[in-house]
Amino acid sequence: QQQVKQSPQSLIVQKGGISIINCAYENTAFDYFPWYQQFPGKGPALLIAIRPDVSEKKEGRFTISFNKSAKQFSLHIMDSQPGDSATYFCAVRGGNMLTFGGGTRLMVKP
Amino acid sequence: GAGVSQTPSNKVTEKGKYVELRCDPISGHTALYWYRQSLGQGPEFLIYFQGTGAADDSGLPNDRFFAVRPEGSVSTLKIQRTERGDSAVYLCASSLDPPPNSPLHFGNGTRLTVT
Repeated sequence: QQQVKQSPQSLIVQKGGISIINCAYENTAFDYFPWYQQFPGKGPALLIAIRPDVSEKKEGRFTISFNKSAKQFSLHIMDSQPGDSATYFCAVRGGNMLTFGGGTRLMVKP
Repeated sequence: GAGVSQTPSNKVTEKGKYVELRCDPISGHTALYWYRQSLGQGPEFLIYFQGTGAADDSGLPNDRFFAVRPEGSVSTLKIQRTERGDSAVYLCASSLDPPPNSPLHFGNGTRLTVT
């Protein structure tokens, strides 16, 4: 049973464009929603996170939009750069651990 | 300071053999997690330690998998009678407190290949 569904699986964006990745979850008890970025051969690294009492959080070019009623949240990368090319994972917190989505492989073309 | 360190970075073993994977968390981090990441998938939770004790081992797939953290710092993931399906990247993460109070810091993983 997938607790968090992530889409799309892959995404190609032109430099300067907006990258949007979506996640949907089932359990309303989840209370923390981070996004992780992973480069090949490296472990995931926390990018940005949000709690359910906030509908949007922005850090630099990265924004999380959170829709509690729809049980969905998304990552927006503004002015996407080739250096943003990586795999992105959403996650949800239940108990003391994070459950991750399946990942989105982003390629930003120069 | 140093991040989470995992050794070895790569391990190739034959089916049926025993392996140990080591994790050195960030100094002072009391929470330690093991995750497994198969190719093209997200990390999958295996076990969580708070201090020396396994607070949640519900993600361990079967009794061939075991993990210890005897002094509340270094942890070892042990896999007995390895199978080809165990091939994956095993990730360790630590945090000062369990999330969301503090973020998880991941190591670069141990790539295990069972032939």
